[in-house]
Amino acid sequence: GEDVEQSLFLSVREGDSSVINCTYTDSSSTYLYWYKQEPGAGLQLLTYIFSNMDMKQDQRLTVLLNKKDKHLSLRIADTQTGDSAIYFCAERRGGSYIPTFGRGTSLIVHP
Amino acid sequence: DADVTQTPRNRITKTGKRIMLECSQTKGHDRMYWYRQDPGLGLRLIYYSFDVKDINKGEISDGYSVSRQAQAKFSLSLESAIPNQTALYFCATSDTGSSTDTQYFGPGTRLTVL
Repeated sequence: GEDVEQSLFLSVREGDSSVINCTYTDSSSTYLYWYKQEPGAGLQLLTYIFSNMDMKQDQRLTVLLNKKDKHLSLRIADTQTGDSAIYFCAERRGGSYIPTFGRGTSLIVHP
Repeated sequence: DADVTQTPRNRITKTGKRIMLECSQTKGHDRMYWYRQDPGLGLRLIYYSFDVKDINKGEISDGYSVSRQAQAKFSLSLESAIPNQTALYFCATSDTGSSTDTQYFGPGTRLTVL
């Protein structure tokens, strides 16, 4: 299909790890992104990974990229209530300057 | 101060009315975008502009028009609003010189068409 796919909801307990998964479509995609949307706000870039990388770590965030399966994941360690938000996966397809967004995964963190 | 601002933040209007949503940016970016967000559908691109004289349709441009009045300003118009245009609208910017094409979003305008 043409869509960037994500599950719509994820619920975790505070202190646990969260893993948000995404499948994208274009094997020639150069950049893959994770954007975060907090309630009542616009999207903000959380992190990105270049297509020649397998993993990127930034503090509590770990991004894993499996190019063979066109699979991207975002792991949040020690998830906090402040991490509750919608997380959007996006890909920059070959030949395009505009990212294609997934539908977003709502992460709910409960005590 | 916010780099990307949108006005109004909330708007309720009636079917058939003409509505303009405005976006301004102080980031000095040349590229600007309009998206709409609907629950469960994610973000869909309405129009985009890579420069003041450049306007391009996105995937859902029907019923919308845009104007790029200056590099810093990009407005979205609904000529005759209809209820299924009720949504959250976002403006975004990006910089041609950026290798990552990161987009920077405004806070959104919540539009309700009755």
